[in-house]
Amino acid sequence: EAGVTQFPSHSVIEKGQTVTLRCDPISGHDNLYWYRRVMGKEIKFLLHFVKESKQDESGMPNNRFLAERTGGTYSTLKVQPAELEDSGVYFCASSQDWQSSYGYTFGSGTRLTVV
Amino acid sequence: AQRVTQPEKLLSVFKGAPVELKCNYSYSGSPELFWYVQYSRQRLQLLLRHISRESIKGFTADLNKGETSFHLKKPFAQEEDSAMYYCALMGTSGSRLTFGEGTQLTVNP
Repeated sequence: EAGVTQFPSHSVIEKGQTVTLRCDPISGHDNLYWYRRVMGKEIKFLLHFVKESKQDESGMPNNRFLAERTGGTYSTLKVQPAELEDSGVYFCASSQDWQSSYGYTFGSGTRLTVV
Repeated sequence: AQRVTQPEKLLSVFKGAPVELKCNYSYSGSPELFWYVQYSRQRLQLLLRHISRESIKGFTADLNKGETSFHLKKPFAQEEDSAMYYCALMGTSGSRLTFGEGTQLTVNP
């Protein structure tokens, strides 16, 4: 089966611009998660979708971040306007079950650099 | 609040030597603990989960509730074990993972 796919793999944008990251989960996985790792810090939870609904968005840093999951399939994470501190690696993960003891399947990540 | 601590950011051992990557957690209930690994230029992948009590690639990890630890061990390290290792916790009230900062393991020839 295809894994979790993220686009783009790298993005370099200027401060104040808008960037949209995309994640295609494993087909049939209702649960989709976004995480990010800022340089030198731990991987932090951003939000969790169950199908098209936001189950938990408590990790979203501020209102410059907007996540959507159209039709419960792929998800996008938009940063508008981007700030320097948004630089980092954004990971997407999916799982079939909520509270999966099998953990998640992660994508390769999108490395975002804001200059 | 849930928290995962990996005290060593960098760990270097020689091939064939034993290796232990430390992980301590803070959680009031009964969490699930995981080890994830990221090899160079590869995606983050699940290595071990405490609930399965299995050995993967020679690695084992035992949950010690008394010491709130979930250390990862391997008796004889191999060069291909060089990677970034993350300890992660999943609480009982949600499905988010809380990660430690990671330990970069280097196994020297």
